[in-house]
Amino acid sequence: LAKTTQPISMDSYEGQEVNITCSHNNIATNDYITWYQQFPSQGPRFIIQGYKTKVTNEVASLFIPADRKSSTLSLPRVSLSDTAVYYCLVRNYSGAGSYQLTFGKGTKLSVIP
Amino acid sequence: NAGVMQNPRHLVRRRGQEARLRCSPMKGHSHVYWYRQLPEEGLKFMVYLQKENIIDESGMPKERFSAEFPKEGPSILRIQQVVRGDSAAYFCASSPSAGDTEAFFGQGTRLTVV
Repeated sequence: LAKTTQPISMDSYEGQEVNITCSHNNIATNDYITWYQQFPSQGPRFIIQGYKTKVTNEVASLFIPADRKSSTLSLPRVSLSDTAVYYCLVRNYSGAGSYQLTFGKGTKLSVIP
Repeated sequence: NAGVMQNPRHLVRRRGQEARLRCSPMKGHSHVYWYRQLPEEGLKFMVYLQKENIIDESGMPKERFSAEFPKEGPSILRIQQVVRGDSAAYFCASSPSAGDTEAFFGQGTRLTVV
């Protein structure tokens, strides 16, 4: 199973850019890297997904180096409402056509006024 | 298009009772995943179902827990003879295809065992 490692927590001031790095050393060749956001008492919400290089949407950017053993989620100019837990995932193939989304402990981002 | 609907949002059960958690996936989604989340922890995979089939239940406790996703109606996670350690948030997610990493999550059911 592909395992991910990311910092447990991060603090940032409002208006700053936040970069959260995740390592996934044994990612499979055809796996995508996906990031989710979870607010307290809510279900996780998909943020962004990528395979290699750079992906950008209206919420975030995702940077993936050529070896794909890590990825960095970049949140531009964070606000207080970005305070949440951010999860990095890779798809895990568990056999017989079954895939799992395996969540680690995530990174708890606290945005400070 | 309504999102993933879970009910109830909050459920209180006494030790030894049964808990039934319901999940209606997004329209057009035939793949359902159940996760459990303890306070201050990440989500733990429990079971992956397609219509009328359990595909992967490797994360399910061997006893007291069962899940189904019938041809008609919502997916059900059933916990029999609940114990205090079953108190957690249970999340359901759905996706349109197998291995789709963009899964859509419901708001969860918070089970409290007293």
